[in-house]
Amino acid sequence: QVQLVESGGGVVQPGRSLRLSCVASGFTFSNYDIHWVRQAPGKGLEWVAIISNVGNNKYYGDSVKGRFTISRDNSKNTVFLQMNSLRPEDTAMYYCAKDLPTGELAFDIWGQGTMVTVSS
Amino acid sequence: DTVMTQSPATLSVSPGERATLSCRASQSVSSHLAWYQHKPGQAPRLLIYGTSTRATGVPGRFSGSGSGTEFTLTISSLQSEDFAVYYCQQYNDWPPITFGQGTRLEIK
Repeated sequence: QVQLVESGGGVVQPGRSLRLSCVASGFTFSNYDIHWVRQAPGKGLEWVAIISNVGNNKYYGDSVKGRFTISRDNSKNTVFLQMNSLRPEDTAMYYCAKDLPTGELAFDIWGQGTMVTVSS
Repeated sequence: DTVMTQSPATLSVSPGERATLSCRASQSVSSHLAWYQHKPGQAPRLLIYGTSTRATGVPGRFSGSGSGTEFTLTISSLQSEDFAVYYCQQYNDWPPITFGQGTRLEIK
């Protein structure tokens, strides 16, 4: 069964850090780019970051650039999102997602999400 | 950045009727346009990619069309399970990958 499972969310104070994990199963993990996408309460979807299949290319959305770092460990089928200097506006459900076998950057498999709340 | 604008914000349609959702890009995205369905408490679901290719398992009542800057998602005969929020997404000009703000499809 092809799936992605996120973990690591929680409640954190502004300025603190949190690391999210996304564990994959059911497909050849090292063949695919992985993305993080978030949804703030009552808002739409926002793309956060991408890491290429072997981890040598990483890109970020402007709102998280310089604060968030995406990484992966292909031996453990896991992608991480290190979130530093968290702000209240980072409060959101965070999803990881993989792109298509064709290489197109549309997301055919999503995890169920992990909730991050940034509040004092 | 390529801004994606969806219309209408909310669409009220009766079961069995056709629904037409629109998405406009601030610049050409070629055919690199996807549509997602999102229900509360669930992960988004890919419906359409490459403007008009249905994802695996997506019913034939969902179809996508358009090119350049104007795109449409059509649901030919609405079923009860189709009422949800729909997002378009461009992946032509990135980073960043960008989504529209969503269209809420509700029961009339």
